Amino acid sequence: DSGVTQTPKHLITATGQRVTLRCSPRSGDLSVYWYQQSLDQGLQFLIQYYNGEERAKGNILERFSAQQFPDLHSELNLSSLELGDSALYFCASSVAGAIHNEQFFGPGTRLTVL
Amino acid sequence: QQQVKQSPQSLIVQKGGISIINCAYENTAFDYFPWYQQFPGKGPALLIAIRPDVSEKKEGRFTISFNKSAKQFSLHIMDSQPGDSATYFCAASSNYQLIWGAGTKLIIKP
Repeated sequence: DSGVTQTPKHLITATGQRVTLRCSPRSGDLSVYWYQQSLDQGLQFLIQYYNGEERAKGNILERFSAQQFPDLHSELNLSSLELGDSALYFCASSVAGAIHNEQFFGPGTRLTVL
Repeated sequence: QQQVKQSPQSLIVQKGGISIINCAYENTAFDYFPWYQQFPGKGPALLIAIRPDVSEKKEGRFTISFNKSAKQFSLHIMDSQPGDSATYFCAASSNYQLIWGAGTKLIIKP
């Protein structure tokens, strides 16, 4: 158990809908990362927050947005969902914002768009 | 230039053998190279990482070999065990973003 929690574990929705994925980092970790993992593919970095502020942006679509709240939990919002958005979404946390800090991954949220 | 190319895509090794997974990169600014291990249904977990100022790092049965001039690095798993069966990802970074390889599915046959 990494100490990172993600909810929900599974999510099934329809095209055009909007969903929110939630992540609670490990106690004491200030940085949160979001990744997308499509079937049999590697991880695509979406976005990083550090202590409430956006730190880095990867291949995140304009339909997707995220935020980190004062209590350090984070939410990833996916809107106007398309079939191709079906994937595993992972949240990771690290103690600080530097990339060489070990990232601890949550169990993921499996999103299925029908 | 931001890519990390990982090979092979899949690998089957006999128990007790050596598993070798390779990665190559282009961006010479990369200065941190971790390997992550992912079991089915779980998130990735850091296995071992290296900085480019050393050519090799060993932790138990896991070794990273790093060739700065060739811009390549590899993971060696000695005395491979069935419990090592997992997907392995290499990654590289220079700033705040990890660039990930596509992953290698490793199966260790008993």
